[in-house]
Amino acid sequence: GAGVSQSPSNKVTEKGKDVELRCDPISGHTALYWYRQRLGQGLEFLIYFQGNSAPDKSGLPSDRFSAERTGESVSTLTIQRTQQEDSAVYLCASSSGQGAYQPQHFGDGTRLSIL
Amino acid sequence: SQQGEEDPQALSIQEGENATMNCSYKTSINNLQWYRQNSGRGLVHLILIRSNEREKHSGRLRVTLDTSKKSSSLLITASRAADTASYFCATDAAGAQKLVFGQGTRLTINP
Repeated sequence: GAGVSQSPSNKVTEKGKDVELRCDPISGHTALYWYRQRLGQGLEFLIYFQGNSAPDKSGLPSDRFSAERTGESVSTLTIQRTQQEDSAVYLCASSSGQGAYQPQHFGDGTRLSIL
Repeated sequence: SQQGEEDPQALSIQEGENATMNCSYKTSINNLQWYRQNSGRGLVHLILIRSNEREKHSGRLRVTLDTSKKSSSLLITASRAADTASYFCATDAAGAQKLVFGQGTRLTINP
């Protein structure tokens, strides 16, 4: 498709399990972002990838969170030993060039529920 | 802490009226962006205004930027039911390569 694709759209899992969320950015977009959005709240920056540069991980809330991106393609966000406070919508966005100077294109997110 | 703060948090108006949302931020910026989010969906980019611009238009949208007051406003004219959504401003914090989003304004257009 032409837009940012995220999978799964919904994920329900038990506390303590690991989860992996996937993001397919728009082809050719060098910048990729992950955000967390709690119910009724704004977006919380998690991590930023730009081309082959070292990612900006400054927003990851704990060492249970990690993300990878292969080149300028797919990215996965992994949350280990999930906690109930991890319940949120996780949004991925991509942009051409340097992301803060360009519009970001968002996927519809993965709604994560931790029981 | 959030760089951008929207005001009001919620706004409910009648269809056809104009809607104005405000955003304030704390540090110097290179640009400010406005996004819309429909329920259960991702954000959609509306307008980007650079720090050397004062006003920008796109269809029924008008954005102003006052860097001396560190504030921006989004005006939606002749509102429609389809404009019902949350609206977020986002700024690049002190030239960093990431956007910082506010908490959003929840806009409801009543038919």
